[in-house]
Amino acid sequence: RKEVEQDPGPFNVPEGATVAFNCTYSNSASQSFFWYRQDCRKEPKLLMSVYSSGNEDGRFTAQLNRASQYISLLIRDSKLSDSATYLCVGDQFYFGTGTSLTVIP
Amino acid sequence: NAGVTQTPKFRILKIGQSMTLQCAQDMNHNYMYWYRQDPGMGLKLIYYSVGAGITDKGEVPNGYNVSRSTTEDFPLRLELAAPSQTSVYFCASVGGATNEKLFFGSGTQLSVL
Repeated sequence: RKEVEQDPGPFNVPEGATVAFNCTYSNSASQSFFWYRQDCRKEPKLLMSVYSSGNEDGRFTAQLNRASQYISLLIRDSKLSDSATYLCVGDQFYFGTGTSLTVIP
Repeated sequence: NAGVTQTPKFRILKIGQSMTLQCAQDMNHNYMYWYRQDPGMGLKLIYYSVGAGITDKGEVPNGYNVSRSTTEDFPLRLELAAPSQTSVYFCASVGGATNEKLFFGSGTQLSVL
């Protein structure tokens, strides 16, 4: 079983839509979780860390549910520039396969 | 500030050839990692290092070797290249305010034919 699993999508949404991605993780001892954004053929870049209390950065909200072992990312008011692949990561070691998002004009 | 620098950006190898992927960081980070990313997949950890002179295997270490003689450099060695090693390779180091952020190099696209 993979350490981190996520729905690969693709998600195709219109501009202005709200979209949510989820990841599940298998190692209950995992301490830290992150969302990274990866543009085509580029290196991943940190989008945000994920805390149990939930955290928000502008249009982005991340949540961690330790009891159910999943993390989520919510993007509100989607922009064309949000089109990318979003990777969830556990403990800097375990990457999900990525969820592809395309925001359509 | 260069951050994490990887060379080369692209390389084509023949089966059985060897090569070294170079990675250097100028941020004085202790933790460094090598990942590979196959098409449509996430990153898989090959090797990592917690400091100069200390390295350890990740999820997919077979066919690779690493060394960490200095804090700055973390080269990845392929001894006998195989088609299964065709991938994009990313080097990263860990730093930031909470020492959790991964700083990635721009990647090396390797094809083994």
